[in-house]
Amino acid sequence: QKEVEQNSGPLSVPEGAIASLNCTYSDRGSQSFFWYRQYSGKSPELIMSIYSNGDKEDGRFTAQLNKASQYVSLLIRDSQPSDSATYLCAVTPHAGGTSYGKLTFGQGTILTVHP
Amino acid sequence: DTEVTQTPKHLVMGMTNKKSLKCEQHMGHRAMYWYKQKAKKPPELMFVYSYEKLSINESVPSRFSPECPNSSLLNLHLHALQPEDSALYLCASSPLAGSNQPQHFGDGTRLSIL
Repeated sequence: QKEVEQNSGPLSVPEGAIASLNCTYSDRGSQSFFWYRQYSGKSPELIMSIYSNGDKEDGRFTAQLNKASQYVSLLIRDSQPSDSATYLCAVTPHAGGTSYGKLTFGQGTILTVHP
Repeated sequence: DTEVTQTPKHLVMGMTNKKSLKCEQHMGHRAMYWYKQKAKKPPELMFVYSYEKLSINESVPSRFSPECPNSSLLNLHLHALQPEDSALYLCASSPLAGSNQPQHFGDGTRLSIL
């Protein structure tokens, strides 16, 4: 089982729709959860951080975390063509141990927003 | 513009060359990272420096040699690379290694090995 898994893409949504990106993780002690956006040929850009159960909203983006289900999601409302990118879910492990400082990425979901 | 600056942006080198990648941050972060990213794959951790000391080496071949001269600078020395080492090399920093704070990435160096 992969440590961090994302819903297989690519995901295509029409402009103005809600895009839903999902991620599950295997380490129940994971502490921090991040969503990065990566445009083709560019570096990952942090768009959301979430640390506790529930929803966190920032503009058109909402991150949702459910630690009991080991599930984190990202909703993009009113999707725009400029949102077309690869979205990476990233998780930090529980404190201590040999994974100290390591960020584990999912494989990424390619999102295309078509006009 | 990112607050983590990487140079050069592009590098083409032969298998016998020696070159270095540079990374600089002025955010006061005490953890710095090197990642390698191949096309259509997520970033793959190579090294972690915490307080200028190497804390994680993900079994990276010795032809990659990291160096952290001070808290703001991180280098990656390259020697005798192979064609499969062609990739995007990303530097990142965070306030502390292992903290809850996110890592911030530079724009990367796109490396091509001839």
